[in-house]
Amino acid sequence: DIQMTQSPSTLSASVGDRVTITCRASENINVLLAWYQQKPGKAPKLLIYRASNLETGVPSRFSGSGSGTEFNFTINSLQPDDFATYYCQHYNRYSRTFGQGTKVDIK
Amino acid sequence: QVQLVESGGALVKVGGSLRLSCAASGFRFSDYYMSWIRQAPGKGLESVSYMTSSGRDTFYAESVKGRFTISRDNAKNSLYLDMSNLTTEDTAVYFCGRGKGSYGSVPVDYWGQGTLVSVSS
Repeated sequence: DIQMTQSPSTLSASVGDRVTITCRASENINVLLAWYQQKPGKAPKLLIYRASNLETGVPSRFSGSGSGTEFNFTINSLQPDDFATYYCQHYNRYSRTFGQGTKVDIK
Repeated sequence: QVQLVESGGALVKVGGSLRLSCAASGFRFSDYYMSWIRQAPGKGLESVSYMTSSGRDTFYAESVKGRFTISRDNAKNSLYLDMSNLTTEDTAVYFCGRGKGSYGSVPVDYWGQGTLVSVSS
């Protein structure tokens, strides 16, 4: 099984900061990677798919990059609504694995 | 608009069985792959099972293989998860999710609100 290692597990930041989360795959996954946001008690929300494609309706301050085994997710100018937990996920026809999650909290 | 509504979550004993249902609306259900994802209390997300739009292909996590069965009724716009031989490790909120397309190499773009399964010893 492909393993996804996400870091950091917790990130403390202030409104207006630029934050970056990294996700590493145990083998080449091309660009089959998504990023989700989850708030407490709520279902996750798709933000980015195919590593860098912004889902419809998602603000442009969110972005993703990478291919192969290393991926980054960036929030430019963090907003109050962005404090949440973020997950990467590898997906293909035969497997799908989530990273452990990164909680972005207020510094 | 797209809506996914899960039901069937309950408190069950170890070794018991349960059927979860997901009622879909707002889109052509038969055109999309569907999946179940779970989240144990205070933990991360785990993809449990998914099924292609036709129902021909399925995927199961190793942790549930042989115990859980995914199915769909495209005429009723419904997705199901039959769970048997439940253990305390299966305690989680179970989410129904729609794939961003008809087969597997797509992420989940819409999620239900989740249904809680609690397994007690």
